[in-house]
Amino acid sequence: GQSLEQPSEVTAVEGAIVQINCTYQTSGFYGLSWYQQHDGGAPTFLSYNALDGLEETGRFSSFLSRSDSYGYLLLQELQMKDSASYFCAVRDNYGQNFVFGPGTRLSVLP
Amino acid sequence: GAVVSQHPSRVICKSGTSVKIECRSLDFQATTMFWYRQFPKKSLMLMATSNEGSKATYEQGVEKDKFLINHASLTLSTLTVTSAHPEDSSFYICSSKGHRGPDNEQFFGPGTRLTVL
Repeated sequence: GQSLEQPSEVTAVEGAIVQINCTYQTSGFYGLSWYQQHDGGAPTFLSYNALDGLEETGRFSSFLSRSDSYGYLLLQELQMKDSASYFCAVRDNYGQNFVFGPGTRLSVLP
Repeated sequence: GAVVSQHPSRVICKSGTSVKIECRSLDFQATTMFWYRQFPKKSLMLMATSNEGSKATYEQGVEKDKFLINHASLTLSTLTVTSAHPEDSSFYICSSKGHRGPDNEQFFGPGTRLTVL
């Protein structure tokens, strides 16, 4: 089967650092992606890890450990506009399909 | 990033009618398009994957005759919800993947909110 797990909700204050974890169990693995979705909007791509280690893109970083089937998204210097849902997604089935996690709703408080 | 449009953005229809949703990649050629369904505060559920010029591959549990997908060109895919019923009410999102951006990046359309009365 295929399953991804994420915390359902995370709350933090402006300026703080937040880590959103994702564990996965899929039939194949061709990389872990992260997407951000604001209420009523479309998901937007944030980052992608195919190999173990940390990828940094501005305030956002993403980490992957393939041996642990685990990754996380790290958001630094939180801003109010970062309040959104964050989804991890694994590409499986020979790299054709994307399976999304249940999503983590991040609330940033002033 | 690339631009993907969806039309209509919102549709309300009566039970039993069919609704067609268009997904267009405006500035790149989409070799693969995906159709997702999303319920409020839930994750995206992949319905089907379509490659240009070939039949769509449907996920388990998705009725092919209910959700007709056509990917006639590298820039256009359509999803037709046939004989819609209230339980088909949902947010439908398409995404495109081509030779632009990282290999794992999909470009999502803005979504279509379908309400079946």
